Amino acid sequence: QVQLQESGPGLVKPSETLSLICTVSGGSVRSDGYYWSWIRQPPGKGLEWIGHIHYSGITKYNPSLKSRVTMSVDTSPNQFSLKLSSVISVDTAVYYCARLQMTGYGFYYFAYWGQGTLVTVPS
Amino acid sequence: SYVLTQPPSVSVAPGQTAGIPCGGNNIGRTSVHWYQQKPGQAPVLVVYDDSDRPSGIPERFSGSNSDNTATLTISRVEAGDEADYYCQVWDRSSDHHVVFGGGTKLTVL
Repeated sequence: QVQLQESGPGLVKPSETLSLICTVSGGSVRSDGYYWSWIRQPPGKGLEWIGHIHYSGITKYNPSLKSRVTMSVDTSPNQFSLKLSSVISVDTAVYYCARLQMTGYGFYYFAYWGQGTLVTVPS
Repeated sequence: SYVLTQPPSVSVAPGQTAGIPCGGNNIGRTSVHWYQQKPGQAPVLVVYDDSDRPSGIPERFSGSNSDNTATLTISRVEAGDEADYYCQVWDRSSDHHVVFGGGTKLTVL
C-alpha cells in the first residue's frame, strides 16, 4: 500500500520560502507512469493544484503560482519536495502531497494522498 | 484555463438519492474524477473515469458524464456520507494541468 507523508515547518515568515518534503513508502518515486504532486487547501476553502513532477524532472505548475514554485525529486530517500518563495498570508493552507496516476483512457487522477500539513504565514 | 463549476451545497434526507453536478465546457469529452473529503481529513477518491469505483468504495457511489455536466450520484444516502465533494479533470488543452471544481458540501438532513 502506497503511503505519503508531508513534513516541514508549520510556520513561515512573510517573504521567506516555504519548503516541504513528501516521503513515499510502499512504492518508488522512480516508477514510470506517475506524477508526484502538491495540492493546497486554504482554511475553509477548496482544493488548489500547485503542480506535479515526474522523476525524469518534467514539471507542470499552476500558472498562478509558477513564478514562485520549484519542485524536485530525490530518488535516494524516495522523496519529492516543494519550494514556494516570497510567501504571504494568503499562502496559509494545508499542503497535501499526492500521487497522480493514469487511467486506461490516458487521464490522470489522485489515487493516494498524504494526510496534509498546515503551513501558516502570519500577516 | 478550463473551469469546473459546482454548487456550494446540496441537501438530502437519509435514504434518498443525492446528485452532485460538475459543469464544464464539453466536459463529456474528458474523464472526470470525484473525491470525498470529511472535516480534518485528506480527500479520498470515490469515482474515477466518470463512473468507475476504486476498491472499497460502496456501490452506492456512481457517476455519469455527458455534454457539459458530470454528476456524482450517491444512492441510499447515509449520515456518514456528509462531506465535501470535489470533481477533477486532467486538462490536456492547457498542457496537462489539473483542475478542481470548487467543491460541494453535502448535508444529510
